[in-house]
Amino acid sequence: DIVMTQTPLSSPVTLGQPASISCRSSQSLVHSDGNTYLSWLQQRPGQPPRLLIYKISNRFSGVPDRFSGSGAGTDFTLNISRVEAEDVGVYYCMQATQFPVTFGQGTRLEIK
Amino acid sequence: EVQLVESGGGLVQPGGSLRLSCAASGFTFSNYWMTWVRQAPGKGLEWVANIKQDGSGKYYVDSVRGRFTISRDNAKNSLYLQMSSLRVEDTAVYYCARAILAEYWGQGTLVTVSS
Repeated sequence: DIVMTQTPLSSPVTLGQPASISCRSSQSLVHSDGNTYLSWLQQRPGQPPRLLIYKISNRFSGVPDRFSGSGAGTDFTLNISRVEAEDVGVYYCMQATQFPVTFGQGTRLEIK
Repeated sequence: EVQLVESGGGLVQPGGSLRLSCAASGFTFSNYWMTWVRQAPGKGLEWVANIKQDGSGKYYVDSVRGRFTISRDNAKNSLYLQMSSLRVEDTAVYYCARAILAEYWGQGTLVTVSS
């Protein structure tokens, strides 16, 4: 199974400041079809998860452009350009290149 | 508007069975893979199973293979998860999600396995 490792596990951020979360996979996430199925999800307190980014850098419908994704191969990053209060929650990376689909442990974003 | 509504959760004893349902609306259900993901209390996300559009392909995490069965009824726009030989460690909120990429999620249904 592909192991997904996120850092940091907790990130206190000042409102209006940037935030960054890293995700590393135990093997390359490049699929045989040429795509890299690395996604980022957000889970606000008491809510189900929500897809933010898919295939490394594509924002899903309705996701604000302050969220961006980057990376390649085994190393990926989620960036929030200016953190807002509604961004508080847990962020997960997820790989769907190979079954079983696996998630990172989650990174808790909190406001300082 | 895409909607996914799970039901069927509850309290069950170890070794018991439960069937979860997910009612889908707002999209052409038969065009999408579907997914079950679970989240134990206070823990992270764990993928459980996927099913292809026509039900011909099914994939499971090792910990549930042989005990859980994913299925779908495209005529009823519904996804199911039949769970048997339930264990305490299966206690979680179970979410259904659209597609392998989990584009949209339901609100989840809580399954508690306890004596």
